[in-house]
Amino acid sequence: EAGVTQFPSHSVIEKGQTVTLRCDPISGHDNLYWYRRVMGKEIKFLLHFVKESKQDESGMPNNRFLAERTGGTYSTLKVQPAELEDSGVYFCASSSQGGRTEAFFGQGTRLTVV
Amino acid sequence: AQSVTQPDIHITVSEGASLELRCNYSYGATPYLFWYVQSPGQGLQLLLKYFSGDTLVQGIKGFEAEFKRSQSSFNLRKPSVHWSDAAEYFCAVKVTGGGNKLTFGTGTQLKVEL
Repeated sequence: EAGVTQFPSHSVIEKGQTVTLRCDPISGHDNLYWYRRVMGKEIKFLLHFVKESKQDESGMPNNRFLAERTGGTYSTLKVQPAELEDSGVYFCASSSQGGRTEAFFGQGTRLTVV
Repeated sequence: AQSVTQPDIHITVSEGASLELRCNYSYGATPYLFWYVQSPGQGLQLLLKYFSGDTLVQGIKGFEAEFKRSQSSFNLRKPSVHWSDAAEYFCAVKVTGGGNKLTFGTGTQLKVEL
């Protein structure tokens, strides 16, 4: 069974450009999460989808970040326009249910804004 | 404020020595508790989890963790470390009734000396 897949693994863009990160969750997992780790800091929650609906987007830093999950399968996270402070590793995770279930993480996308 | 603390940013141990990584949380009720590991170039992998019941939980790769309610701690242990255990370790909590998001500690980087 395939795990959580993220694309690209690395991205280097200039300040002001747009970048779109993609996450393919484990098949059948209704719950999809985005997290981010800025260098030297802890991994922080960004948002949570249940199927195609945003369940919790309390961690989204500002309106330059847009997450979508059309059809309840894969998800994209767009940063537009990117700023220097957006650099970090973006993780996607999925789980079959909430509560007493574990989340499975992808390998992350390392985003560098120069 | 609710938080997860991993007081050791870096730890170095010799191969074959025992290991204990500390994790403390600050929440009103007992949350669900997790330890994840990130090896170089890899995603986050779940080592073990605690939901309820026996306070000593066994995980993969020979790791175990003990939940101590009185100390609000969930320390990770391994009796004999292998060179392949060199990685970054993250403690995480999920607050019951607080949605499904994980709150992470800042991580502990483990170096293993041969």
